[in-house]
Amino acid sequence: RKEVEQDPGPFNVPEGATVAFNCTYSNSASQSFFWYRQDCRKEPKLLMSVYSSGNEDGRFTAQLNRASQYISLLIRDSKLSDSATYLCVVNGAGGSYIPTFGRGTSLIVHP
Amino acid sequence: NAGVTQTPKFQVLKTGQSMTLQCAQDMNHNSMYWYRQDPGMGLRLIYYSASEGTTDKGEVPNGYNVSRLNKREFSLRLESAAPSQTSVYFCASSRRQGTNQPQHFGDGTRLSIL
Repeated sequence: RKEVEQDPGPFNVPEGATVAFNCTYSNSASQSFFWYRQDCRKEPKLLMSVYSSGNEDGRFTAQLNRASQYISLLIRDSKLSDSATYLCVVNGAGGSYIPTFGRGTSLIVHP
Repeated sequence: NAGVTQTPKFQVLKTGQSMTLQCAQDMNHNSMYWYRQDPGMGLRLIYYSASEGTTDKGEVPNGYNVSRLNKREFSLRLESAAPSQTSVYFCASSRRQGTNQPQHFGDGTRLSIL
């Protein structure tokens, strides 16, 4: 089993839709969690950290489920500009404090 | 506010040539990382430096060497480039390894080995 797994998609949704991605991790001792956004041929950029109690930033909501070992990202009222690849990052996934990246989930928002 | 700066942005090499990719950060971060990104493979860690004076292998270190020159700079060297090393290389830094601190990335070096 891979340490951090994501559905590669693509998720193809219309503008205004709500879409959710999950990311599972294998090491129950993992310490911290993040969602990054990567546009085509660009560097990954931090979207948001994921806190145990869940957190929200505008249209984006991140959740952590330690019991089932996954994190989620919910995007409400999708915009065309949300089209990108979303990477989840887990610190401690491999038993160390090295960040481990999922392969990313592709989102395409169409008019 | 430059953040993480990588040079060069593009490079074409012939098999067997050597080169060094440069990375510098101005955020006073302790930890620095080198990744490669290939289609369908995601980001894979090559080497990292938890703090000045230390370096460690990541997931795919073969064919590479690194130098943590000082707190700001972390370079990646290809001694004898191979076509399999054609990739996009990203440098990243974080305040400290092992804490709830995210990484900040440079905008990448696109490297082609012919």
